[in-house]
Amino acid sequence: AQSVTQLGSHVSVSEGALVLLRCNYSSSVPPYLFWYVQYPNQGLQLLLKYTTGATLVKGINGFEAEFKKSETSFHLTKPSAHMSDAAEYFCAVSLNSGGYQKVTFGTGTKLQVIP
Amino acid sequence: EADIYQTPRYLVIGTGKKITLECSQTMGHDKMYWYQQDPGMELHLIHYSYGVNSTEKGDLSSESTVSRIRTEHFPLTLESARPSHTSQYLCASSEGAWGRPQHFGDGTRLSIL
Repeated sequence: AQSVTQLGSHVSVSEGALVLLRCNYSSSVPPYLFWYVQYPNQGLQLLLKYTTGATLVKGINGFEAEFKKSETSFHLTKPSAHMSDAAEYFCAVSLNSGGYQKVTFGTGTKLQVIP
Repeated sequence: EADIYQTPRYLVIGTGKKITLECSQTMGHDKMYWYQQDPGMELHLIHYSYGVNSTEKGDLSSESTVSRIRTEHFPLTLESARPSHTSQYLCASSEGAWGRPQHFGDGTRLSIL
């Protein structure tokens, strides 16, 4: 069975500070990994994804994430937070399960950016 | 811009009514999904479809039903709404090989009185 743990349901950072959102997963085989962002009253939008290859993945809006197999982690970072980054962020794991792609989402982390 | 559309965006309705939540995508994606989202909880898959005339139940048991008569259309129906159905419902689609990211609509926020 696969699972996703996002540490911290709420994270606050000052504008211009480093953003670090944590995601750990459990899976019997290397999964596909995703980060999505959700703004109020909207659906989820893909930030970045890891499938194979380079373990440091760059996404939209200056975000990046690093896949660390030994730590089973896929933390999301951004060097300098902007006010527009305030949103909820979801980590997701995807595995083939009986011919179907099973996607498991974390419970989300709400990012607050303080001016 | 959204290539996957959900209507209505908000619905407040009384117990016992029949409800259909609409979801359409213009991307030609073969796979479509319905998720239920509650505050502070992970997204729960309630239905998915591989393609036309294919529907499967997801991980979370739901009293809703779905149909996939056309590639672009994946409506969700509740025959008799109850307060326990109050939630946000998100529709998504993806293309091609498994592992591709999903594209989400903006959701329908449903309140059953």
